[in-house]
Amino acid sequence: KQEVTQIPAALSVPEGENLVLNCSFTDSAIYNLQWFRQDPGKGLTSLLLIQSSQREQTSGRLNASLDKSSGRSTLYIAASQPGDSATYLCAVRASGGYNKLIFGAGTRLAVHP
Amino acid sequence: EAEVAQSPRYKITEKSQAVAFWCDPISGHATLYWYRQILGQGPELLVQFQDESVVDDSQLPKDRFSAERLKGVDSTLKIQPAELGDSAMYLCASSTLPRTDTQYFGPGTRLTVL
Repeated sequence: KQEVTQIPAALSVPEGENLVLNCSFTDSAIYNLQWFRQDPGKGLTSLLLIQSSQREQTSGRLNASLDKSSGRSTLYIAASQPGDSATYLCAVRASGGYNKLIFGAGTRLAVHP
Repeated sequence: EAEVAQSPRYKITEKSQAVAFWCDPISGHATLYWYRQILGQGPELLVQFQDESVVDDSQLPKDRFSAERLKGVDSTLKIQPAELGDSAMYLCASSTLPRTDTQYFGPGTRLTVL
C-alpha cells in the first residue's frame, strides 16, 4: 500500500530564506507526483506536476525534483515571502487502475516578516 | 478562469441527521472526485466518477455515504446518518483526464457534526 510522508510537519522561517520541503513515498511505481498549496480553510491549488519520466519542474520561485527510484521529491522555494505561508501537500498518482492520488499530511509553512 | 463550485461552504448538523453536498466541476471535465480531509491530514479519495459512472469508491463508507452524478456533470455527496467522526472538509475536484491531467479543486465544504 502506497504511503506518502512529508517532513517537516511544520516550518517557520524569516522572510527571504530559501527552503526545502521533503516528500517520500513507499512504492516507486508512480505515474506522476504533484505538489499543492492549501490556504487555511480553502481548497487545494496545484503548483507543479512532475511526470515519472521527468527529474524536475520549475515555476517562478518554485522548483520540484523527483527521484523515483529512491521514492523522494523535494519542493524548493527561493527567497520566501510572507505570502508563501500555507500548507504544502505532496501527492503521488498510482500507476494502475484509475490512478488515484495519494496525499501526504502536508508541511505547514509560516514565513514571518 | 473556470473554477470548481461547491455548496454549501459550511454545514453544521447534529448526529443522525442527513446532509448533502453539491459540486459543479469545470465545464468539459469528465472526471470528478470527492475527497474527505480530516484536520491535519491530507485529503483521502472517497469516490471517483468518469462521466456518470463510479470507477473507484473503495474508501466510501457505503452504509452511510452515497454519491451520484446523474448526467455526468454536477454531483451530490450525501451522508445519512451523520456521525461525529464525519466532521471534516469535503473537497470536490475535476480533471479532463483521470491519469495525466492536473486535478482542480473546489473551495470545499466544512462539515461539523455535533
